[in-house]
Amino acid sequence: DTEVTQTPKHLVMGMTNKKSLKCEQHMGHRAMYWYKQKAKKPPELMFVYSYEKLSINESVPSRFSPECPNSSLLNLHLHALQPEDSALYLCASSRTGALNTEAFFGQGTRLTVV
Amino acid sequence: GIQVEQSPPDLILQEGANSTLRCNFSDSVNNLQWFHQNPWGQLINLFYIPSGTKQNGRLSATTVATERYSLLYISSSQTTDSGVYFCAVEDQKSSGDKLTFGTGTRLAVRP
Repeated sequence: DTEVTQTPKHLVMGMTNKKSLKCEQHMGHRAMYWYKQKAKKPPELMFVYSYEKLSINESVPSRFSPECPNSSLLNLHLHALQPEDSALYLCASSRTGALNTEAFFGQGTRLTVV
Repeated sequence: GIQVEQSPPDLILQEGANSTLRCNFSDSVNNLQWFHQNPWGQLINLFYIPSGTKQNGRLSATTVATERYSLLYISSSQTTDSGVYFCAVEDQKSSGDKLTFGTGTRLAVRP
């Protein structure tokens, strides 16, 4: 099983709303990631969690707040977003936090901020 | 940071044709993966290939790490091969866990 599951698949939210994106994997992977992808662009890394600890934050605005409650779950809490934050948000996981490991991606959440 | 360039940026093929996609990277890497992004946004793993050659059905990939490039070969293309192909690398100099994506090749296969 190489499945990473993201919910919801689509989300429309207002600029004053608070919402959360969820990601789950049951492959025993200990590294989990959030990527953001704008239309016709490659995915860009936002956050990395390694062994449930935040290891990389690519200078992401504080209106995006990641959380890793356990080794299988990753959340992205959203608050006071702007229309330019509309994008495809992708979650990924890999076997360990070490190098030389293959990453697997979820189907993504397509977010629209109105 | 590491730069990852893919060529060509766009490619149109007739069904049944063969093609080669290229990924150039600016520094040494520990990890290189090829993905196919389908029209719904899903990134599908094609190859994990930091070096050497691998084949999977109509697809094969070769990475020459010393010369900092990788090639993805698609033979007998089908309409279902349409989408965007990305290579992604992990820089040897990075602190780890960071996959940097290439610019992508958008492929359209016509019936």
